[in-house]
Amino acid sequence: SYELTQPPSVSVSPGQTATITCSGDKLGDKYACWYQQKPGQSPVLVIYQDAKRPSGIPERFSGSTSGNTATLTISGTQAMDEADYYCQAWDSSTVLFGGGTKLTVL
Amino acid sequence: QVQLVQSGAEVKKPGTSVKVSCKASGYTFTGYGISWVRQAPGQGLEWMGWISVYNGNTNYAQKLQGRVTMTTDTSTRSAYMELRSLRSDDTALYFCARGVAVADEYYFDYWGQGTLVTVSS
Repeated sequence: SYELTQPPSVSVSPGQTATITCSGDKLGDKYACWYQQKPGQSPVLVIYQDAKRPSGIPERFSGSTSGNTATLTISGTQAMDEADYYCQAWDSSTVLFGGGTKLTVL
Repeated sequence: QVQLVQSGAEVKKPGTSVKVSCKASGYTFTGYGISWVRQAPGQGLEWMGWISVYNGNTNYAQKLQGRVTMTTDTSTRSAYMELRSLRSDDTALYFCARGVAVADEYYFDYWGQGTLVTVSS
């Protein structure tokens, strides 16, 4: 079955750039999106169609894809960005989520 | 503004069923699909399936086939998810989410607040 693989954790210092990857077979042939989930809250869409930001999402959030890897980049990371991040793709009429990455802002 | 408001927490015994509701407002209900996503304690997101509000078509995750049913009621702008033969590993926070289908992508732009379902004897 199709799987999306994310690193379990990523750490970043405030003000630095955080990079979270999501890899999957032929992911480059599909669109990827990203959700942010803070403790006790519902997920929030932060990137869709690989690189588009929904209204209200800060410009420091960006997305890209290359080959079989989608990447979420947070530039100038702030303490408020500490959260779990999930990638998601659509394959054969099925929604797939990555396992999630816990972003820690040290 | 778009809102998805879910029903309250449930405690169920193993082998029984649960039905969670999701009431939508702020948009054309039939213009979007609804998916259900669950999250076990301390775990990641698991997609359960989706329903087209427009025509009632459904697609369920293979893992849950035969135990889950998703329905909608356009008169009340509500979506429902029923899970049967509950087991302890069905204990989770259940979310409804509005699905946007564009070209070869399907993503969720609004989410409900979540409904905690606890399965315990």
